Amino acid sequence: DAKTTQPNSMESNEEEPVHLPCNHSTISGTDYIHWYRQLPSQGPEYVIHGLTSNVNNRMASLAIAEDRKSSTLILHRATLRDAAVYYCILIRADSWGKLQFGAGTQVVVTP
Amino acid sequence: NAGVMQNPRHLVRRRGQEARLRCSPMKGHSHVYWYRQLPEEGLKFMVYLQKENIIDESGMPKERFSAEFPKEGPSILRIQQVVRGDSAAYFCASSRTGGTTDTQYFGPGTRLTVL
Repeated sequence: DAKTTQPNSMESNEEEPVHLPCNHSTISGTDYIHWYRQLPSQGPEYVIHGLTSNVNNRMASLAIAEDRKSSTLILHRATLRDAAVYYCILIRADSWGKLQFGAGTQVVVTP
Repeated sequence: NAGVMQNPRHLVRRRGQEARLRCSPMKGHSHVYWYRQLPEEGLKFMVYLQKENIIDESGMPKERFSAEFPKEGPSILRIQQVVRGDSAAYFCASSRTGGTTDTQYFGPGTRLTVL
């Protein structure tokens, strides 16, 4: 399975955008890029996913590099509630969706 | 529409006892996944089940752990003869189709403490 690399932590001020990078240089053509986050003492929560094109939803945007070897999750205006561990996960198209969590990025939001 | 339900939320067991963790998936979801989060560690996949079938148990410890998802009722993760190393948060997730692009919805977890 292709691996992902994320920074251990990132800090942002409230109301500022947050750009969370994820490197996946060994991604295959059929791997989907998924993002989940885990707030303190809670179960993980789906954020967004994509294959090749950039994606937007009410929570965030996902920017995927043209060669798909990296992607960036964008939180447009960080709130205190966005403080969480964010996980970038690759899922093969022919799989049934097993999530393999790495260490993720701890996002700290400062008021 | 209620989310994924897990109970109990907290479970304390003494070494050697059995632990039963229950997971009720979201309405209309027939795919259930169990994950474990050991203290200060990441989430690890344990098992994937569809109704009455275990599809992938590659993350389950070989001994003492079992899972089921009967035709009626919740999915159960059972740990026999618990040891201190089983202390962890156990999360279940459900999805509608089990497909690559299908969202997994997680429950709040069961925090197991083994004394």
